[in-house]
Amino acid sequence: DVKVTQSSRYLVKRTGEKVFLECVQDMDHENMFWYRQDPGLGLRLIYFSYDVKMKEKGDIPEGYSVSREKKERFSLILESASTNQTSMYLCASSQDREESNEKLFFGSGTQLSVL
Amino acid sequence: GENVEQHPSTLSVQEGDSAVIKCTYSDSASNYFPWYKQELGKRPQLIIDIRSNVGEKKDQRIAVTLNKTAKHFSLHITETQPEDSAVYFCAASLEGIKAAGNKLTFGGGTRVLVKP
Repeated sequence: DVKVTQSSRYLVKRTGEKVFLECVQDMDHENMFWYRQDPGLGLRLIYFSYDVKMKEKGDIPEGYSVSREKKERFSLILESASTNQTSMYLCASSQDREESNEKLFFGSGTQLSVL
Repeated sequence: GENVEQHPSTLSVQEGDSAVIKCTYSDSASNYFPWYKQELGKRPQLIIDIRSNVGEKKDQRIAVTLNKTAKHFSLHITETQPEDSAVYFCAASLEGIKAAGNKLTFGGGTRVLVKP
């Protein structure tokens, strides 16, 4: 069974702090994603990566950066946390198929509160 | 970019009744439409998907229909049970293009409550 593990379930940070959210998957998936989930807005894609050291902006990349130094690990970085980044953050991974989509496997989420 | 609208935002049904959730998308090139279910406190999981070369797909009590001309697709749950209570998300993407094809755009979600 695929496991996508996020390092923290709950995080509380101060405005201006640098925040790291870590995600690890154990199924050798090429693709990894960071979404944020807010009520009524669904899941919005922040960044994704389809290979080591590769990254692509999603729909809401402002205020975030990512790092993928190893295939199994995808990190989301908030350079200077702000209160509007309080949200549930979900990591996901999938196999890469050029002709067809493979299903996303999600982590259990990190609820980040920025005070 | 793609925009996906989902309605209703909440849906309350009596156990045994049917539930229907509708989504519209903006990019006529989109060709892959999955549905994810998120139970309370749990991670989203894929429950069914449809590709643009078919108009309907069924899996036991759930079915999805797609109208490419109108750019909308729907999830139908029949004979609802309490375990169907969850938030459901529709999504759309374009398959066949590396990286772009794996990028899903989600709708805002529908909270379904099945009353016993």
